[in-house]
Amino acid sequence: AQSVTQLGSHVSVSEGALVLLRCNYSSSVPPYLFWYVQYPNQGLQLLLKYTSAATLVKGINGFEAEFKKSETSFHLTKPSAHMSDAAEYFCAVSPVQGAQKLVFGQGTRLTINP
Amino acid sequence: ETGVTQSPTHLIKTRGQQVTLRCSSQSGHNTVSWYQQALGQGPQFIFQYYREEENGRGNFPPRFSGLQFPNYSSELNVNALELDDSALYLCASSPASGREQYFGPGTRLTVT
Repeated sequence: AQSVTQLGSHVSVSEGALVLLRCNYSSSVPPYLFWYVQYPNQGLQLLLKYTSAATLVKGINGFEAEFKKSETSFHLTKPSAHMSDAAEYFCAVSPVQGAQKLVFGQGTRLTINP
Repeated sequence: ETGVTQSPTHLIKTRGQQVTLRCSSQSGHNTVSWYQQALGQGPQFIFQYYREEENGRGNFPPRFSGLQFPNYSSELNVNALELDDSALYLCASSPASGREQYFGPGTRLTVT
């Protein structure tokens, strides 16, 4: 069964600093991978996706993620944090075949300090 | 282009009652999935519908059931509500050509 581990339930960075949110997956074959952001009392917004094309994926709001098969990782980064980036971030995997279900990690709450 | 919409926004029910949640998929999307998100947790997959047929189910009991209509909108029905059913219920739709899912704002269900 596929699973996702997000290291760090809470990450705090200063405004303008590098954001790094970690995600490792477990799957017998490389899956599709996604990062979603959730603002308070809202649904999930797709930030970016990896679907077996380029390993470095660029998303919205200046975020990007790199798929590393050897490390089974898909970490999310942003060079310079903005106050508006404060939110909950979820990494998710989906199998290449079969139902398009998403398996989510537990989430990482990102706090931005002024 | 209209995104995924869900109704109602909030709902309060009593244990043992039944509830129906509704979802309209994004234009052009023919697959709808439902997720349950408990407080402080990641969303958990309930089931998925493709062309009005269930196309995968998560680890949820049969009292969780669903429907998809010809216009690709969907309903989630939960019978015999339990206190642990209190959660945010998220609907997501996806296009025929892609694997990404686009989420609605959710329905907050409280069971007392």
